[in-house]
Amino acid sequence: GAVVSQHPSRVICKSGTSVKIECRSLDFQATTMFWYRQFPKQSLMLMATSNEGSKATYEQGVEKDKFLINHASLTLSTLTVTSAHPEDSSFYICSARDQASYGYTFGSGTRLTVV
Amino acid sequence: QKEVEQDPGPLSVPEGAIVSLNCTYSNSAFQYFMWYRQYSRKGPELLMYTYSSGNKEDGRFTAQVDKSSKYISLFIRDSQPSDSATYLCAMSIGPGAQKLVFGQGTRLTINP
Repeated sequence: GAVVSQHPSRVICKSGTSVKIECRSLDFQATTMFWYRQFPKQSLMLMATSNEGSKATYEQGVEKDKFLINHASLTLSTLTVTSAHPEDSSFYICSARDQASYGYTFGSGTRLTVV
Repeated sequence: QKEVEQDPGPLSVPEGAIVSLNCTYSNSAFQYFMWYRQYSRKGPELLMYTYSSGNKEDGRFTAQVDKSSKYISLFIRDSQPSDSATYLCAMSIGPGAQKLVFGQGTRLTINP
């Protein structure tokens, strides 16, 4: 089945620094990937849709200058949290859809802690 | 009103019980329905995918869609402690690279 690899699984960074999270589709090509954020005991909130070769589409209320998305190839999308602050601490998850299968495959998530 | 409503629980049942999880939605444009299982600190994994009204069965899991009532269900038979997780319903308008709208998720615990 389709596999989406996400790294790192957890990261701790100092306030003011930037953190990059990678999302790779391992055995399929994904022209579109999605980035979600999940707070404890809450559901997934879509942050942005990442489109290969073009600008990402951000959901209302998501700061595009803070959450930089790059989708440079058909198998890789990156999310960079710039100038991170403690309130950015959360669980970030990416997903993609393999056209040959149903549903959307999710990465294992990245737990970001900003201290 | 949220587009997708799901009772967050928590729901606790004894091992072997039949579990019923439900979601309602308000957007009649939703055509594709999914159930995901999420273990703590992990990404969601797809359990069931349906695109029409009716029932779909896969092992101990049955997904049911009633578009006229805008209501979907997931039934788990012979529940096991390993089924303890958060279950999320999700839906989309189209089959392609469409964004998913998730329910809040129901925390389920199966007690041995």
